Amino acid sequence: EPEVTQTPSHQVTQMGQEVILRCVPISNHLYFYWYRQILGQKVEFLVSFYNNEISEKSEIFDDQFSVERPDGSNFTLKIRSTKLEDSAMYFCASSENTSGREQYFGPGTRLTVT
Amino acid sequence: GQNIDQPTEMTATEGAIVQINCTYQTSGFNGLFWYQQHAGEAPTFLSYNVLDGLEEKGRFSSFLSRSKGYSYLLLKELQMKDSASYLCAVSPNRDDKIIFGKGTRLHILP
Repeated sequence: EPEVTQTPSHQVTQMGQEVILRCVPISNHLYFYWYRQILGQKVEFLVSFYNNEISEKSEIFDDQFSVERPDGSNFTLKIRSTKLEDSAMYFCASSENTSGREQYFGPGTRLTVT
Repeated sequence: GQNIDQPTEMTATEGAIVQINCTYQTSGFNGLFWYQQHAGEAPTFLSYNVLDGLEEKGRFSSFLSRSKGYSYLLLKELQMKDSASYLCAVSPNRDDKIIFGKGTRLHILP
């Protein structure tokens, strides 16, 4: 069964450093998303991406964040200068169509900022 | 604003039935989802409702009333592996994000 994959599974970085989180969505999916979940809190939407551009972003997704689809398979989230409060689990998700149905989530990357 | 409410925790017994309620107030509505999330893992899709009524899928059923802004997830024949958080989530518009509730942590007792 096809699945969304994410690397690395765990990333530790120092405050102020740049990190890139990588995702490989399911191959025939067209819509891509990043969510984050701070430990013990709810899953929060960050950004959605379609047709090589951002279609929606949340208030959390400020100028420190960017997304890119550098080739036909990868989808990345970059945090330019990490802060302590960026420590969270970051989930990539993809879906086949626009109705929002059945977004498939990757296993997540646990980001720890020290 | 967007608001999704569900109980924080529930406890049920193995083999029993449990109903997890969810109420929502969102700027728009293009469907309601239920996801299961085990600790430290990603959410996994359980169900999707966009029309009023009951959707049944094996041991799990989900109900929606759009006029009441209400949904429930019904789990039958509970198994120990059903111990997890159950996330109610709404897609407010056609195109994009899912807004999640805080989740209901379900404890199953033997």
